[in-house]
Amino acid sequence: GENVEQHPSTLSVQEGDSAVIKCTYSDSASNYFPWYKQELGKRPQLIIDIRSNVGEKKDQRIAVTLNKTAKHFSLHITETQPEDSAVYFCAARGVRGGYQKVTFGIGTKLQVIP
Amino acid sequence: KAGVTQTPRYLIKTRGQQVTLSCSPISGHRSVSWYQQTPGQGLQFLFEYFSETQRNKGNFPGRFSGRQFSNSRSEMNVSTLELGDSALYLCASGTGDPLAKNIQYFGAGTRLSVL
Repeated sequence: GENVEQHPSTLSVQEGDSAVIKCTYSDSASNYFPWYKQELGKRPQLIIDIRSNVGEKKDQRIAVTLNKTAKHFSLHITETQPEDSAVYFCAARGVRGGYQKVTFGIGTKLQVIP
Repeated sequence: KAGVTQTPRYLIKTRGQQVTLSCSPISGHRSVSWYQQTPGQGLQFLFEYFSETQRNKGNFPGRFSGRQFSNSRSEMNVSTLELGDSALYLCASGTGDPLAKNIQYFGAGTRLSVL
């Protein structure tokens, strides 16, 4: 089955700096890679996603890159703000036997220091 | 559109008891997935139901089971509770369409404490 590794597990950055979270996946059949943000005490929410036929996607201060050959994808947050502090989960979804299965990484706790 | 609703929000049980959690997906969504979230373990996939059928299953013991009703609402049952079952249980709903993104929308979760 799919295995998604995510690192670092914790990340502290100064406000205004950039943050990068990296994930690798094992199943070459995975074709969709969402990123979720979970603020303390709240539910995970989708913040950005990328399909396997795209190498990069941006949405204001966040961007995701995908390297299919190396099977890794990354989340980039620029000009970090205190409200970016949260746990971020990457995920990989593949289709096998006509069914989808989503596998999540272990999460990265991002702390933005004012 | 109403979001994903999970009930109850909090539960306290003792070892050996059983518990049933409920999840009502977003209207029109036919896929419901269940996850266990514990500190340091991230989101561990339990199972997914689509049109009343379990079509994916994670690596959890048989004490964890679920079902889905014709209105897409899903229940998860844990029998013979153990201390290690204490966790936040999240469900997520989606269209389940393998040709689409099938974005998962999470509920607020049920916090289960086993004493």
